[in-house]
Amino acid sequence: DTGVSQNPRHKITKRGQNVTFRCDPISEHNRLYWYRQTLGQGPEFLTYFQNEAQLEKSRLLSDRFSAERPKGSFSTLEIQRTEQGDSAMYLCASSSHRGRTGELFFGEGSRLTVL
Amino acid sequence: GDSVTQMEGPVTLSEEAFLTINCTYTATGYPSLFWYVQYPGEGLQLLLKATKADDKGSNKGFEATYRKETTSFHLEKGSVQVSDSAVYFCAPDPNTGNQFYFGTGTSLTVIP
Repeated sequence: DTGVSQNPRHKITKRGQNVTFRCDPISEHNRLYWYRQTLGQGPEFLTYFQNEAQLEKSRLLSDRFSAERPKGSFSTLEIQRTEQGDSAMYLCASSSHRGRTGELFFGEGSRLTVL
Repeated sequence: GDSVTQMEGPVTLSEEAFLTINCTYTATGYPSLFWYVQYPGEGLQLLLKATKADDKGSNKGFEATYRKETTSFHLEKGSVQVSDSAVYFCAPDPNTGNQFYFGTGTSLTVIP
């Protein structure tokens, strides 16, 4: 078990470009979460999958954002037409539905800088 | 709406000092509660948890007691070390009523 893996770790892009982040959860975890974290703030919830089904989406997830988990394993988060306000750390976490509680296992994050 | 409120930081303590970081929650029902820690340059990781009222979670010398009557889950450590310097986040169990939010985090710096 290698933990939650996120790629790329850093992405610098120009305003208006599209970016995609990938998350590989812990293999036996069926729940996968995306959060956004800005400096000095706690993680802000973006969206949540159980297996391949996207069950919750935050109001923060504008129509420029889309997330998929096509086979219930890895997930991608795409941001279209990036804006400077999208600069943040994008965190992925996974959890197991089999435990009594849903503690999250986080990846190290993908840092986005929009110039 | 549901939320957690954490003590604002940053907090700076000398080594071996006593630490308290306050967390209170407003939630539908009584979810399990977690403290996560984020060390510099690393991802968030679970520090400790409590699943019901009067439950005490503990790990690495840290403790937190789930107090239903005051809706609190304060984090404590009797003697902090430099290696405890990190940001600490309080959060409810997302499995309980889809509560996905985190506290704003409390930054702790321990000086020798």
